[in-house]
Amino acid sequence: AQSVTQLDSQVPVFEEAPVELRCNYSSSVSVYLFWYVQYPNQGLQLLLKYLSGSTLVKGINGFEAEFNKSQTSFHLRKPSVHISDTAEYFCAVSPSLLGGTSYGKLTFGQGTILTVHP
Amino acid sequence: GAGVSQTPSNKVTEKGKYVELRCDPISGHTALYWYRQSLGQGPEFLIYFQGTGAADDSGLPNDRFFAVRPEGSVSTLKIQRTERGDSAVYLCASSPGQKGETQYFGPGTRLLVL
Repeated sequence: AQSVTQLDSQVPVFEEAPVELRCNYSSSVSVYLFWYVQYPNQGLQLLLKYLSGSTLVKGINGFEAEFNKSQTSFHLRKPSVHISDTAEYFCAVSPSLLGGTSYGKLTFGQGTILTVHP
Repeated sequence: GAGVSQTPSNKVTEKGKYVELRCDPISGHTALYWYRQSLGQGPEFLIYFQGTGAADDSGLPNDRFFAVRPEGSVSTLKIQRTERGDSAVYLCASSPGQKGETQYFGPGTRLLVL
């Protein structure tokens, strides 16, 4: 079984400031990691994902995340945010090819609401 | 191309009634997932289809919930004897079917049980 903890429920930040949204996970099997974003009144959209290889993953809209296996973390970062980044962000995991199950059921964290102020 | 669509976008019903929620996945996607998102929470897995069969229904909360995908495309989530606690946004996602592949989400159906 897997669980995901997003350490901040809300993160307020000023425009052009850097931001980090924290995510920790727990799993008894190897996992893939994802960040999804949900803009107001829109569906979930994939920002980026880690499957294997380089632990630094770049996604859309200037976001990146770093997989840290020893700390079981997958924090999301952006060096300079825009007003349009205001949204709710979800970290998620699914069992990997080595994870013992045969499909990609996602386990989500509780979400972090990022609010960018002018 | 067309994304995942869900109908209706909103559904208001009375306690005890039966509801059906529909999901049209992306054409050619063999994997289909249903999730439920309660207010202030992340989505929670309900059921997974690979083709026509429900490969994992372990997330369905009780036997009032049932889902079908008879032709391997459109799926319907059915809730009998609705309760106020069923109020949530029901999300559908589809993917090509392999682990690690992106799941594409629909806009959701917001269900309110009065």
